[in-house]
Amino acid sequence: KNEVEQSPQNLTAQEGEFITINCSYSVGISALHWLQQHPGGGIVSLFMLSSGKKKHGRLIATINIQEKHSSLHITASHPRDSAVYICAVIIMDSNYQLIWGAGTKLIIKP
Amino acid sequence: EPEVTQTPSHQVTQMGQEVILRCVPISNHLYFYWYRQILGQKVEFLVSFYNNEISEKSEIFDDQFSVERPDGSNFTLKIRSTKLEDSAMYFCASRMGENYGYTFGSGTRLTVV
Repeated sequence: KNEVEQSPQNLTAQEGEFITINCSYSVGISALHWLQQHPGGGIVSLFMLSSGKKKHGRLIATINIQEKHSSLHITASHPRDSAVYICAVIIMDSNYQLIWGAGTKLIIKP
Repeated sequence: EPEVTQTPSHQVTQMGQEVILRCVPISNHLYFYWYRQILGQKVEFLVSFYNNEISEKSEIFDDQFSVERPDGSNFTLKIRSTKLEDSAMYFCASRMGENYGYTFGSGTRLTVV
């Protein structure tokens, strides 16, 4: 049973394109995280959301709690954005553990 | 910017040996976590630690695993008798509070041979 589903699994785009990665979840959550994992394995937290929208540079994250859906957008994509983007949630009856999606592997070609 | 530091970055060990993975969380953070990622798979939760005790653990975190915060700065994960299937990248993470984001270490790649 996958509590967190991401789409697409893989995404290849040209530099400059607008990128959207989607995340759906099936459980009640207290927060949703978007994270970035680089080829070397390191994980960086991008956003933590419990409602609405957040923006940081060229990255925008939105969440719709009623629809149990979140999106991560990248504007003016660049080859350095190439990474695995992972959605992870904190479920309602647990304040401690993140439940992770499988990730979306993004490749931006110059 | 403050970092979570993990050592070693890569460890190779014989099956059945004990390993200790070390983490130095950010100094004013209160919540500490270990996660692992088997090659090609999702990241999985192992254990969370708050107020000097385990607050939650997953089914993976059986009697072979233990965590300690021995001196107020280090946070260690011990695997008593490693198995081949323990081979994975192990990530330590910390955060200041429940409403704050996570900071992850760069991981320890454990290879059990």
